[in-house]
Amino acid sequence: DAGVIQSPRHEVTEMGQEVTLRCKPISGHNSLFWYRQTMMRGLELLIYFNNNVPIDDSGMPEDRFSAKMPNASFSTLKIQPSEPRDSAVYFCASSPDLNYGYTFGSGTRLTVV
Amino acid sequence: GQQVMQIPQYQHVQEGEDFTTYCNSSTTLSNIQWYKQRPGGHPVFLIQLVKSGEVKKQKRLTFQFGEAKKNSSLHITATQTTDVGTYFCAVEEAGSNYKLTFGKGTLLTVNP
Repeated sequence: DAGVIQSPRHEVTEMGQEVTLRCKPISGHNSLFWYRQTMMRGLELLIYFNNNVPIDDSGMPEDRFSAKMPNASFSTLKIQPSEPRDSAVYFCASSPDLNYGYTFGSGTRLTVV
Repeated sequence: GQQVMQIPQYQHVQEGEDFTTYCNSSTTLSNIQWYKQRPGGHPVFLIQLVKSGEVKKQKRLTFQFGEAKKNSSLHITATQTTDVGTYFCAVEEAGSNYKLTFGKGTLLTVNP
């Protein structure tokens, strides 16, 4: 199993540009999570899905952030327009179901200049 | 949301010394998970504890869940340089439909 696959690994973009982060969860995992990690705030849950349905998006910072899971094998996190304060490492994680340990992807390091 | 306190924030040890990190909550937890993140890496799931007073071991790592299910600890015996990283506890917010909140973590460095 290739694990949770995220792309791109690194993204540098200019303020105001649209950014799309991608995630492929482990096959058969029903739950998918998007986290953001910064030094100041640690690991923050942005949104999570169960069986492709968003369960809780209360962690999404503002309307500039949106996430979709069109099918069981793909999810995107979009930031439009991006701002320098969005710079962070964004992790996608999946688990067989809720209340199981998570498998994290390698993350996308986003830098907005 | 769920507040969980991890202490210490940082711990530096000599190789061979023991290490313990603690996770404390003001409310009763349904379960707790522990993760390890190497520098520059991603969090890796270590274990989940569910039962009051539960103790689980993984080689040199010992995990405990308090009797009141409000605290937990991770103990490493005879640390090695490969133990370097940040150790996180993660707890489910009560009534949150399994929303997992991570502590701030304890960064362990080991001097060879």
